[in-house]
Amino acid sequence: SYELTQPPSVSVSPGQTARITCSGDALPKQYAYWYQQKPGQAPVLVIYKDSERPSGIPERFSGSSSGTTVTLTISGVQAEDEADYYCQSADSSGTSLVFGGGTKLTVL
Amino acid sequence: EVQLVESGGVVVQPGGSLRLSCAASGFTFDDYAMHWVRQAPGKGLEWVSLISWDGGSTYYADSVKGRFTISRDNSKNSLYLQMNSLRAEDTALYYCAKDNDDSSNYMDVWGKGTTVTVSS
Repeated sequence: SYELTQPPSVSVSPGQTARITCSGDALPKQYAYWYQQKPGQAPVLVIYKDSERPSGIPERFSGSSSGTTVTLTISGVQAEDEADYYCQSADSSGTSLVFGGGTKLTVL
Repeated sequence: EVQLVESGGVVVQPGGSLRLSCAASGFTFDDYAMHWVRQAPGKGLEWVSLISWDGGSTYYADSVKGRFTISRDNSKNSLYLQMNSLRAEDTALYYCAKDNDDSSNYMDVWGKGTTVTVSS
């Protein structure tokens, strides 16, 4: 079955830039989406269609795509950004959705 | 305000059955596809199933195919997940989520979830 691969953890100091990657063979053909999940809360969409930001999401959140890897970038990280981040996409047929394993962002 | 409220989660024995419900409000329910996503304790998100706006198309993760059935009643603004032959590994928080469109394949609104525990 199709898989998306994320690093388990990323750590940054406040004000620095955090980059979280997600790799998958179908990413050149399928859009990627990113969700933020804080403890005890439901996920929140932060990036859609690789690089679009929903209304209400701070400008410091951005997304990019290159080949089989997509990247979520958080510029000027704040303490409130500490959370788990999940990428999501679809297999090449578009009929089976998949989440990456998640990346825990720690703000030092 | 767009809102999704899940219900029906309980403790059930292995091999048992359960039906989850999701009540939707604040948007035109039958304009959108809907998803179920689950999260086992301490684990990541797992997509479970997707249903098109009219119920005519349904899709499942391999882990639940043949055991779970997704359905909807647009007259009641409700989404359902019938879960049969439950296993310990189905223990999770089950989220109902709204698709951005009828076939965008991503979730723009999530409920708070309902907990299913499969245990003897």
